[in-house]
Amino acid sequence: TQLLEQSPQFLSIQEGENLTVYCNSSSVFSSLQWYRQEPGEGPVLLVTVVTGGEVKKLKRLTFQFGDARKDSSLHITAAQPGDTGLYLCAGASGNNDMRFGAGTRLTVKP
Amino acid sequence: DSGVTQTPKHLITATGQRVTLRCSPRSGDLSVYWYQQSLDQGLQFLIQYYNGEERAKGNILERFSAQQFPDLHSELNLSSLELGDSALYFCASSSAGVGYNEQFFGPGTRLTVL
Repeated sequence: TQLLEQSPQFLSIQEGENLTVYCNSSSVFSSLQWYRQEPGEGPVLLVTVVTGGEVKKLKRLTFQFGDARKDSSLHITAAQPGDTGLYLCAGASGNNDMRFGAGTRLTVKP
Repeated sequence: DSGVTQTPKHLITATGQRVTLRCSPRSGDLSVYWYQQSLDQGLQFLIQYYNGEERAKGNILERFSAQQFPDLHSELNLSSLELGDSALYFCASSSAGVGYNEQFFGPGTRLTVL
């Protein structure tokens, strides 16, 4: 059982569409991170959110941390084929114990 | 390039054997983390070292062990290998030992146990 539940597990969309992926937990986290992983490579950090309700934008990507610091969402506007990859969320607890979700595998078709 | 290096990139071995995976963290990072990633289990945290000492332990089997050396590089030892140990093994490093930390991942070692 994953401590962090990510949904959807798979998502296939056309270039130009918008999408939102979710990361949910019953646990409270001191911080939450989003990573993107391409096949055969290690995950690459996209953003870290720390404060409940925090919203961060990274070009076409918008990240939100839930008010209770238990969940997060990633919204991508006008998706491009280069956005294709595995999106992982990871939550850190106070003792520096970090847990990853199983990820959302996104495919953006041209 | 994250600055984290891992060797070897690929490793093929037989059941019952023992292997050692090596990781060099980014310059200046004191923490090293080991993860196992398989298709059905996702990214599983194994163990963390900070400045040579074990800091946190995750789902690491007793057949597996790790250490961090004075020069801060780390090794993950996998023994009595089983078919189910076939996976990608990632090392990550960060500058922090406690509190929220940004981890930088290496390219991984793909282990295949035949």
